[in-house]
Amino acid sequence: RKEVEQDPGPFNVPEGATVAFNCTYSNSASQSFFWYRQDCRKEPKLLMSVYSSGNEDGRFTAQLNRASQYISLLIRDSKLSDSATYLCVLGSSNTGKLIFGQGTTLQVKP
Amino acid sequence: NAGVTQTPKFRILKIGQSMTLQCTQDMNHNYMYWYRQDPGMGLKLIYYSVGAGITDKGEVPNGYNVSRSTTEDFPLRLELAAPSQTSVYFCASSTGPHTEAFFGQGTRLTVV
Repeated sequence: RKEVEQDPGPFNVPEGATVAFNCTYSNSASQSFFWYRQDCRKEPKLLMSVYSSGNEDGRFTAQLNRASQYISLLIRDSKLSDSATYLCVLGSSNTGKLIFGQGTTLQVKP
Repeated sequence: NAGVTQTPKFRILKIGQSMTLQCTQDMNHNYMYWYRQDPGMGLKLIYYSVGAGITDKGEVPNGYNVSRSTTEDFPLRLELAAPSQTSVYFCASSTGPHTEAFFGQGTRLTVV
């Protein structure tokens, strides 16, 4: 089983839609969780960290469910500029590794 | 601010050739990572380092070697290049796996 699994999509949504991505992980020792955004042919950049209590940054909400071993990202009121690949990332303080999921592609259409 | 710098940006290698991908960071980060990204896929960890003098294997280390003689530099060595190593290579650094990782712009490598 892969350490991190994501539905690759693509998710095609109209502007203004709400879209949600999930990511499951297998290593219960994973201690830090992130969502990164990657634009076509560019390097990944941090979108937001994910905390057990959930966190929100404008139109973006991230949540962590340790019992079920998944994290989620909710994007409200989608914009054309949200079109990108969203990468789920796990960090292990035990090993120092940062493990990336396959990524989920979002296309927002006018 | 330079951040993480990778060189070269593009390279074409012939099968069996060797090369070193350079990565340097000026943020005094202890943690550094090398990833490869194949088309339509996520990033796969090749090697990583938690500090100068310390390196460890990631998910796909075969065919690669690294060294970490200084905090700033983390070169990735390809020996006997193979077509399966055609990919985009990203270097990243951070203060730890619980903090934001900063990436270089990538090296696009083609082995023919």
